[in-house]
Amino acid sequence: ETGVTQTPRHLVMGMTNKKSLKCEQHLGHNAMYWYKQSAKKPLELMFVYNFKEQTENNSVPSRFSPECPNSSHLFLHLHTLQPEDSALYLCASSLQREVHEQYFGPGTRLTVT
Amino acid sequence: GQNIDQPTEMTATEGAIVQINCTYQTSGFNGLFWYQQHAGEAPTFLSYNVLDGLEEKGRFSSFLSRSKGYSYLLLKELQMKDSASYLCAVLDSNYQLIWGAGTKLIIKP
Repeated sequence: ETGVTQTPRHLVMGMTNKKSLKCEQHLGHNAMYWYKQSAKKPLELMFVYNFKEQTENNSVPSRFSPECPNSSHLFLHLHTLQPEDSALYLCASSLQREVHEQYFGPGTRLTVT
Repeated sequence: GQNIDQPTEMTATEGAIVQINCTYQTSGFNGLFWYQQHAGEAPTFLSYNVLDGLEEKGRFSSFLSRSKGYSYLLLKELQMKDSASYLCAVLDSNYQLIWGAGTKLIIKP
């Protein structure tokens, strides 16, 4: 496997469900990111991890909870989401936090019903 | 506030040239990126400019004017596979990427 992978690719969940998104990078990078992409809106940076430490949390609601067990894996735990949380969730990585050529995964298309 | 502006959608003809503009107002500047995103796929890196001028990479070129807060992406000899969204992003003084909403480019035969 190469690059950045994400699972699942598609997810439909009810507002009371709990689910997790997984991201894995095989590039030896030290920084990983979660983004939310909604139609016709700019990419919204949600969380940043640099050397497994969370460095940014851009006012993201607590119903989104990130986890970075090592520099290759990143999770986004979801619970009691709202319909407006439906979007494409993209994971990305870069060599370092300040090196911003980012490599993106294919994303998880999330629908909250 | 910080802002990146780019056209929502553009249409061009196969074989032609198209220029996608991006203007920005950010707190500081540490470089400007262009990414390409095909429908349903991940964004992929195209170019990075930190100094004024034109950077050429095959059929794609990117220009930057820091004094004007302006960049453009120039695509030559357009091919159908160039149909995609093109995202402009600026690295601010805190090394945070500020993203534009993207320009959807439609190529017609």
